[in-house]
Amino acid sequence: AQKITQTQPGMFVQEKEAVTLDCTYDTSDQSYGLFWYKQPSSGEMIFLIYQGSYDEQNATEGRYSLNFQKARKSANLVISASQLGDSAMYFCALFRGNTPLVFGKGTRLSVIA
Amino acid sequence: DGGITQSPKYLFRKEGQNVTLSCEQNLNHDAMYWYRQDPGQGLRLIYYSQIVNDFQKGDIAEGYSVSREKKESFPLTVTSAQKNPTAFYLCASSDLIGARGIKNIQYFGAGTRLSVL
Repeated sequence: AQKITQTQPGMFVQEKEAVTLDCTYDTSDQSYGLFWYKQPSSGEMIFLIYQGSYDEQNATEGRYSLNFQKARKSANLVISASQLGDSAMYFCALFRGNTPLVFGKGTRLSVIA
Repeated sequence: DGGITQSPKYLFRKEGQNVTLSCEQNLNHDAMYWYRQDPGQGLRLIYYSQIVNDFQKGDIAEGYSVSREKKESFPLTVTSAQKNPTAFYLCASSDLIGARGIKNIQYFGAGTRLSVL
């Protein structure tokens, strides 16, 4: 069975600092994808970044980058230069190719001024 | 603008009542999903559909029902059999699951908060 583990229930970061949110996954498939979503207090899930299992380079989208370590089955999200608006829940999700996404339980990030 | 519209934003259910949550998308996506989120928790899959007139149960389908009569619409009914319906419900859509070369990025609506009176 596929599984996503986010071990940090909550994280604090100073404004303008970088922060890493951890995500480990478990799948026996060779082809899969990993996603990160942001959920602000309004509730809507916002897609941030995607990493395919065969992608040779780590994905980057603006201030977001994904530290993908395939052998360790980890896909950590790195947010550079944190902003107050980054305060939200962050969810890691796994896509195997023929099934819907499996989500982790999330990490609550609080950015401190 | 393209997107996913969920309505209503807030919904109250009385004992023994069925209620229906609406989800409409104009992204021309084949697949649609319903998730339930409890406070401080992740998303749990209720039902999903990949084509019109077909849908599959997710992890927590008991007490819920869905229909997919149109590609654009995927309403969720919370039946009286669901004894603990208070939660935040999110609808999502994506390209066809498993389609070659497709990342299957799911796009979400703004959600419906359901409470029991």
